Amino acid sequence: DAKTTQPPSMDCAEGRAANLPCNHSTISGNEYVYWYRQIHSQGPQYIIHGLKNNETNEMASLIITEDRKSSTLILPHATLRDTAVYYCIVRPIGGSNYKLTFGKGTLLTVNP
Amino acid sequence: ETGVTQSPTHLIKTRGQQVTLRCSSQSGHNTVSWYQQALGQGPQFIFQYYREEENGRGNFPPRFSGLQFPNYSSELNVNALELDDSALYLCASGLAGTYEQYFGPGTRLTVT
Repeated sequence: DAKTTQPPSMDCAEGRAANLPCNHSTISGNEYVYWYRQIHSQGPQYIIHGLKNNETNEMASLIITEDRKSSTLILPHATLRDTAVYYCIVRPIGGSNYKLTFGKGTLLTVNP
Repeated sequence: ETGVTQSPTHLIKTRGQQVTLRCSSQSGHNTVSWYQQALGQGPQFIFQYYREEENGRGNFPPRFSGLQFPNYSSELNVNALELDDSALYLCASGLAGTYEQYFGPGTRLTVT
């Protein structure tokens, strides 16, 4: 699986947009970009995934660059409950439903 | 719809002992994966089970083993516990052919 690089920590003011970057310069054409988050003392929670088009759901938006070498997760109006470690994961298309390869992620702290 | 549950919440064992951790998958799911998360690290994939058979394994020794039951509940067994086995153990259930995995809250294992 391709490796991802994320900043170790970021801060965001409550109510503002949080933009979390991820570099995946070695991504191949058959790999999706996934985002999960882990709130303290809980299991990881799926947020969103995409292949090459931008994606949006009720939680967040995912912007993938045209060359697919990087992406940004956007939380449009961050709240204190969004404080968590955010993981960017690259995962092959198809095959069995297994093996999420987590890095250390980005600790997002939303401040009041 | 019930979520993924794990038991026990916390566990303390002595080096050399054996431990069994349990997971109940989300209703309708037929795959279960287990992850180990050391303090300050992202979760590391141990293995996945599908149709009661191991379906992919990470870089963990054979003393880590598992079972999946017909009702899609699962066990993780660890023999000959070592101090480095102290971690949060997470299980995640999913539906084969889809790409989302739903994590339980984890079992915190401490080996002394």
